[in-house]
Amino acid sequence: SQKIEQNSEALNIQEGKTATLTCNYTNYSPAYLQWYRQDPGRGPVFLLLIRENEKEKRKERLKVTFDTTLKQSLFHITASQPADSATYLCALDMNSNSGYALNFGKGTSLLVTP
Amino acid sequence: ETGVTQTPRHLVMGMTNKKSLKCEQHLGHNAMYWYKQSAKKPLELMFVYSLEERVENNSVPSRFSPECPNSSHLFLHLHTLQPEDSALYLCASSHELAGGETQYFGPGTRLLVL
Repeated sequence: SQKIEQNSEALNIQEGKTATLTCNYTNYSPAYLQWYRQDPGRGPVFLLLIRENEKEKRKERLKVTFDTTLKQSLFHITASQPADSATYLCALDMNSNSGYALNFGKGTSLLVTP
Repeated sequence: ETGVTQTPRHLVMGMTNKKSLKCEQHLGHNAMYWYKQSAKKPLELMFVYSLEERVENNSVPSRFSPECPNSSHLFLHLHTLQPEDSALYLCASSHELAGGETQYFGPGTRLLVL
C-alpha cells in the first residue's frame, strides 16, 4: 500500500541548532515533493517545492533534499528560532486520474526552545 | 493572508441540521479543493474543481455536497452529519490543476457535530 511517513515523534531542539525533518514514502513515484508549514488553527502555508530530477533546493534558512532512490526527502531549518515552531507537512505531488493531486503526510511538530 | 478566505471559522451543528461552508479565493486561480483534517491524520482530499467542473470525488459520503458556482467561490453543503465528521475543513486553490502547482490554503472551518 502507499505510505507517506514523517518523523513520528515531535522534534524539540534548541534555538540556533539545525532542525532536520524526514519524509519517507513507499509505493509512490512523485514528480514533485512539496513542504508546507501549519500553525495551530490555521491552514498550511507553502514553503518549498523540489522536482524529481533535483537533489537539493534552498530558500533562506531552509533546505530540502530529495532522494528518489531512497524514497526520502529531508527538510532542514538552519539557525532555528522559536518562531519556527510549527507543524511541517510533506506532500507528494502525484498524477492522478483527474490530474495532479497532493498526498500529505501526517506532519512533524517542531518546537524550538530559547 | 493567503488570498483564500473561509466562513464561518467555527461551526457547531446537530446531526439533523443543514449548514454550508463557504470559500472564496482572490487569486484568479482555476482550481479549488476541499480537504478534511482530523486529529492525528493526514489531510484528506475530498473534492477537486477545475474551471468550475468537479474532477474528483474521493469516495466522500453524500452528506457532503460541494458546489462551485464560479472559479472564485466554493461551497460545501452539509446535512445529517455524524459526530465523526467533526474536523477542520480546509479550502485551497491553485493556479491550474497541474503538477508542481503550489496550493494556497484558507484558514479552515473548525466543525463540531454534536
